[in-house]
Amino acid sequence: QKEVEQNSGPLSVPEGAIASLNCTYSDRGSQSFFWYRQYSGKSPELIMFIYSNGDKEDGRFTAQLNKASQYVSLLIRDSQPSDSATYLCAVMSDYKLSFGAGTTVTVRA
Amino acid sequence: EAQVTQNPRYLITVTGKKLTVTCSQNMNHEYMSWYRQDPGLGLRQIYYSMNVEVTDKGDVPEGYKVSRKEKRNFPLILESPSPNQTSLYFCASRQQTSTDTQYFGPGTRLTVL
Repeated sequence: QKEVEQNSGPLSVPEGAIASLNCTYSDRGSQSFFWYRQYSGKSPELIMFIYSNGDKEDGRFTAQLNKASQYVSLLIRDSQPSDSATYLCAVMSDYKLSFGAGTTVTVRA
Repeated sequence: EAQVTQNPRYLITVTGKKLTVTCSQNMNHEYMSWYRQDPGLGLRQIYYSMNVEVTDKGDVPEGYKVSRKEKRNFPLILESPSPNQTSLYFCASRQQTSTDTQYFGPGTRLTVL
């Protein structure tokens, strides 16, 4: 079983819609959770982090964490063409940061 | 400006020719690591270092070496590259705490013929 699993996608959403990305993890002792955005050929850049159960909002992005279900999600509201990228879920366990394979999002105008 | 730098950014080489990819950070971070990224496989950790002179294997260490003689530098060494090491490589750094943000270098695209 992979440590961090994401919907493989690709996910295609119309401009202005909500994009919903999901991630599950296997280590129940994981402490912190991150979402990175990666444009093709570029390095990952952090867009959200969350440590506690519940929702965390930052602009058009909302991260949701449910430790009991070992589930973390990212919502992108009012999706824009510039949001077209691959989104990586990352989970920290005992100082090791493990990544999912990523979900590619395409926002169509 | 806080950053992680890598060199070279692009490299084409031949099987068996030793190479080194350099990585440097200016944020005084204790933790540094190397990843490779391949289509469909995501980011996989090669080696990591929790401080000077402390290094350990990640998930895919075969065929790679690292050293950490100074806090700011963490070079990745391929003693005898093979075509299956053709990949996109990222260096990253962060503070030691489990909640700290990890910063990535710009990446090195390596092709081994």
